[in-house]
Amino acid sequence: SAVISQKPSRDICQRGTSLTIQCQVDSQVTMMFWYRQQPGQSLTLIATANQGSEATYESGFVIDKFPISRPNLTFSTLTVSNMSPEDSSIYLCSVREGGEYEQYFGPGTRLTVT
Amino acid sequence: AQSVTQLGSHVSVSEGALVLLRCNYSSSVPPYLFWYVQYPNQGLQLLLKYTTGATLVKGINGFEAEFKKSETSFHLTKPSAHMSDAAEYFCALFYTGGFKTIFGAGTRLFVKA
Repeated sequence: SAVISQKPSRDICQRGTSLTIQCQVDSQVTMMFWYRQQPGQSLTLIATANQGSEATYESGFVIDKFPISRPNLTFSTLTVSNMSPEDSSIYLCSVREGGEYEQYFGPGTRLTVT
Repeated sequence: AQSVTQLGSHVSVSEGALVLLRCNYSSSVPPYLFWYVQYPNQGLQLLLKYTTGATLVKGINGFEAEFKKSETSFHLTKPSAHMSDAAEYFCALFYTGGFKTIFGAGTRLFVKA
């Protein structure tokens, strides 16, 4: 199973600034996902990031607010732009390996916006 | 439409008691079903999965789940709870039609000494 790391593990940011979250996987994977998990809530898919193509965003999420890069098969970044307190959440990177249906998750980035 | 419903946002059991976390699903195609566990301040970890074949699946840490098509259920059980089982548990369905995973709302398990 893939091992996933995320940086930073947590951050406290000012309103109006941006934060870039990095996701590193120890093996090459085709499909990478970014989720948001608000306190006490389930996971909400932000976007699917495929290498070499534009990310596919879910309803309610837009590229200007959550730009994603996927430069290769082991790395991706999610930027949370022009942050507001409503963006305070845990952001999770996840992957699905070829031919399988289960997903593997990073430890998450806990973001607080003040 | 595909959906996952977890019955009970919070479940509390005594240490040594049976753990039963309920999950029902709706799917227009044969489902692939999963249970994930999330310990405090960590990401999700796969507990067990059902794809095809045997309907009773065993996972890590003594957990198991049974796929019951007639009841559209995939309940998670463990015969004897440990304090270390206290966590959030998510039932999930992989939908081959849209190639997406749908997560339930989660059930927080509390284990009392």
